[in-house]
Amino acid sequence: EIVLTQSPATLSLSPGERATLSCRASQSVSSYLAWYQQKPGQAPRLLIYDASNRATGIPARFSGSGSGTDFTLTISSLEPEDFAVYYCQQRSNCPTFGQGTRLEIK
Amino acid sequence: EVQLLESGGGLVQPGGSLRLSCAASGFTFSSYAMSWVRQAPGKGLEWVSAISGSGGSTYYADSVKGRFTISRDNSKNTLYLQMNSLRAEDTAVYYCAKEGPPYCSGGSCYWGYWGQGTLVTVSS
Repeated sequence: EIVLTQSPATLSLSPGERATLSCRASQSVSSYLAWYQQKPGQAPRLLIYDASNRATGIPARFSGSGSGTDFTLTISSLEPEDFAVYYCQQRSNCPTFGQGTRLEIK
Repeated sequence: EVQLLESGGGLVQPGGSLRLSCAASGFTFSSYAMSWVRQAPGKGLEWVSAISGSGGSTYYADSVKGRFTISRDNSKNTLYLQMNSLRAEDTAVYYCAKEGPPYCSGGSCYWGYWGQGTLVTVSS
């Protein structure tokens, strides 16, 4: 099983600041990595797939990068609605998720 | 518009059984693989099971293998998860999720659509 480790566990920032979230895989997943956003009481929402492609309707302030074992989700300028939990996910035969990064308002 | 509506959750005793359903609409159901993903209270996401569009191929996480069975009825546009021998650690919100274009590459896909989830509580 491929283990995904996200850091930091919690990120405290203010609106307008830049957010950088990391995801490290225990072995190479090539570029087959996604990022999801989840708000309280809601289902996850796909933000980024194949490491760097934005899903339909996702604002341009969200970007993804990386390949192999190290990946980054960047939110260029935080909006109030961006404060949520973010998960990375790899899609091998046994899909796994990272443990999540909580992005909270400072 | 793609819609996924889960049902069937509830309170069940350890060792008991429950069947979840996911009613799909807004797309050609039989053309898409589907999955169940769960989330224990206050915890992260865990993939549970997946099934191909035809239903001919199924996949399970080790944590549920031998206890859970995924199936689908393409004539009813409905996905199922039969859960037997339930344990306290199976307590979670269970989401059904659709994978498929445009979120595909290299022969597999990501989950672009999710239901709202149904809560399963295993407790005596």
